[in-house]
Amino acid sequence: QKEVEQNSGPLSVPEGAIASLNCTYSDRGSQSFFWYRQYSGKSPELIMSIYSNGDKEDGRFTAQLNKASQYVSLLIRDSQPSDSATYLCAVFGGGADGLTFGKGTHLIIQP
Amino acid sequence: GAGVSQSPSNKVTEKGKDVELRCDPISGHTALYWYRQSLGQGLEFLIYFQGNSAPDKSGLPSDRFSAERTGGSVSTLTIQRTQQEDSAVYLCASSDDTAHYSPLHFGNGTRLTVT
Repeated sequence: QKEVEQNSGPLSVPEGAIASLNCTYSDRGSQSFFWYRQYSGKSPELIMSIYSNGDKEDGRFTAQLNKASQYVSLLIRDSQPSDSATYLCAVFGGGADGLTFGKGTHLIIQP
Repeated sequence: GAGVSQSPSNKVTEKGKDVELRCDPISGHTALYWYRQSLGQGLEFLIYFQGNSAPDKSGLPSDRFSAERTGGSVSTLTIQRTQQEDSAVYLCASSDDTAHYSPLHFGNGTRLTVT
């Protein structure tokens, strides 16, 4: 059973600060890693993807991957109230079971 | 269409009735996925299609659930003899292939309520 673990939160961060979201996964053979943002009552939308160890930056978002530690994180710089949402970590291990999602971290940006 | 389309957006049904949920993926996307999300919970994988075939159906919660995809495009998820625990949002997603670099694009979901 492949597992993806996230702290459910809520994680409260003041506006303008850095929000740090963490995720661990059980399948050492996992190949691809994604962060999705989900607003309440809406569908998930892709924020970042990362495939190799290290950092990947896209605007205010930075994804970090450490395959040896089976750990992936998402940093949001200069947090805005509009960043308040649930962030889902998703891991693709190959095979027929698609992406395995974590239960998500509820992020609250305080104005 | 521009995105993944799901219908109906909302469905209320009585316990014991059958329901059919439809997903129209992004044109040209060969891979199609069904997930279920209960209130306040994460995404539960149900089934995926590559073209018209479904290599692994083990994610379906029970034999009351079935899915098919015809013409490599539209997919239907059928739930027979619905139960209250089937109430959830059913999300469909598609990608252009099953290569691990391909992210999923989600539809807006069907909110199913079994009374």
